[in-house]
Amino acid sequence: EIVLTQSPTTTAASPGEKVTITCLASSSVSNMYWYQQKSGASPKLLIYSTSSLASGVPDRFSGSGSGTSYSLTINTMEAEDAATYYCQQWSSNPPTFGSGTKLEIK
Amino acid sequence: EVQLVESGGGLVQPGRSLKLSCAASGFTFSNYYMAWVRQAPKKGLEWVATISTSGSRTYYPDSVKGRFTISRDNAKSSLYLQMNSLKSEDTATYYCARQQGPGYPYFDYWGQGVMVTVSS
Repeated sequence: EIVLTQSPTTTAASPGEKVTITCLASSSVSNMYWYQQKSGASPKLLIYSTSSLASGVPDRFSGSGSGTSYSLTINTMEAEDAATYYCQQWSSNPPTFGSGTKLEIK
Repeated sequence: EVQLVESGGGLVQPGRSLKLSCAASGFTFSNYYMAWVRQAPKKGLEWVATISTSGSRTYYPDSVKGRFTISRDNAKSSLYLQMNSLKSEDTATYYCARQQGPGYPYFDYWGQGVMVTVSS
């Protein structure tokens, strides 16, 4: 099973600040997927196939990476971006998720 | 608008069974793989099961294989999860999720979730 390690576990950013969340895979994966989960809500797809924005997702979000290292970037932090973010792979079975990065607003 | 509405959760004793349902609307249900993903309290996400468009193929992680069964009724646009021999570690919110398909291994829409508590 591929283990996904996210960092940081928790972070806080001021409005307008750039935020980067990293996801390291225990083995090489071909693509990474990212989800946003706000408090008390269900997860929402943000990024698919490493760098493609899901429908309706603001373009301040972006994804990049390859092999075992992937990242999610929020170009300019907004209050509504406060949430927990999860990465996910399915290059090999079973699909796995990272343990999450909690992003708070300063 | 894509909607996924889960039902059937609740409190159940260890070793007993429970069946979850998910009613889908806003898209052609029979064209999509579907999945269940769970989240234990204050924990991360765990994939539980996936079913192909026709229902002929199903996939499970080792943690639930042999105990859980995913199924679907395309005529009713409904997804199901039969959970047997439940354990305390199955306590979680269970989400119904639409999956793009074998070439698109991610979950693009999620339901609001239904809570399952396994406790005596």
